[in-house]
Amino acid sequence: DAKTTQPTSMDCAEGRAANLPCNHSTISGNEYVYWYRQIHSQGPQYIIHGLKNNETNEMASLIITEDRKSSTLILPHATLRDTAVYYCIVNLEGNTPLVFGKGTRLSVIA
Amino acid sequence: DAGVIQSPRHEVTEMGQEVTLRCKPISGHNSLFWYRQTMMRGLELLIYFNNNVPIDDSGMPEDRFSAKMPNASFSTLKIQPSEPRDSAVYFCASSFWPTNEKLFFGSGTQLSVL
Repeated sequence: DAKTTQPTSMDCAEGRAANLPCNHSTISGNEYVYWYRQIHSQGPQYIIHGLKNNETNEMASLIITEDRKSSTLILPHATLRDTAVYYCIVNLEGNTPLVFGKGTRLSVIA
Repeated sequence: DAGVIQSPRHEVTEMGQEVTLRCKPISGHNSLFWYRQTMMRGLELLIYFNNNVPIDDSGMPEDRFSAKMPNASFSTLKIQPSEPRDSAVYFCASSFWPTNEKLFFGSGTQLSVL
């Protein structure tokens, strides 16, 4: 079973920041937070992951609360191509497999 | 790199027929995963391999499903006999074990069993 809770859907205006929340209150000390997204008719795509420090890459930023019970994925300037289902997953690094929940369907609106 | 390559892209077959899905992982990756996606059940892990050895096949729904990885560059998922409820998108993914930091997914095979 997925260990995370995400809103079912969200809207975001094009060019604005998209902030996608995720609750993972039962996360253990050595579990990482992973984010993937799935654009329609494609396979899931890795976005970012982190343990406790905030992380940033060319795609997004990941903000993890100090108690690690929740996190937020930030797409700084959303485009129409960011419309997708975003999955937040908690997992031990190297310990497979990843269990996907239902994710958040993000719609970026022009 | 061409990424994870799956074939066929689409498969339409009749109930009772054998179906074979194919996957070529990214070169150098030593973990391979088969997932199935439906509207009702979402993305489900069926089986995964490390270094060509099946590690966990508890997600394989029934004995009608079997998977093999004869070498590091090829895997198959076979359904025999197929049933309409097997209709789904089947994804293959690969990564580098033991870190498995990132999974790379193929484009999937859309299977329709009539």
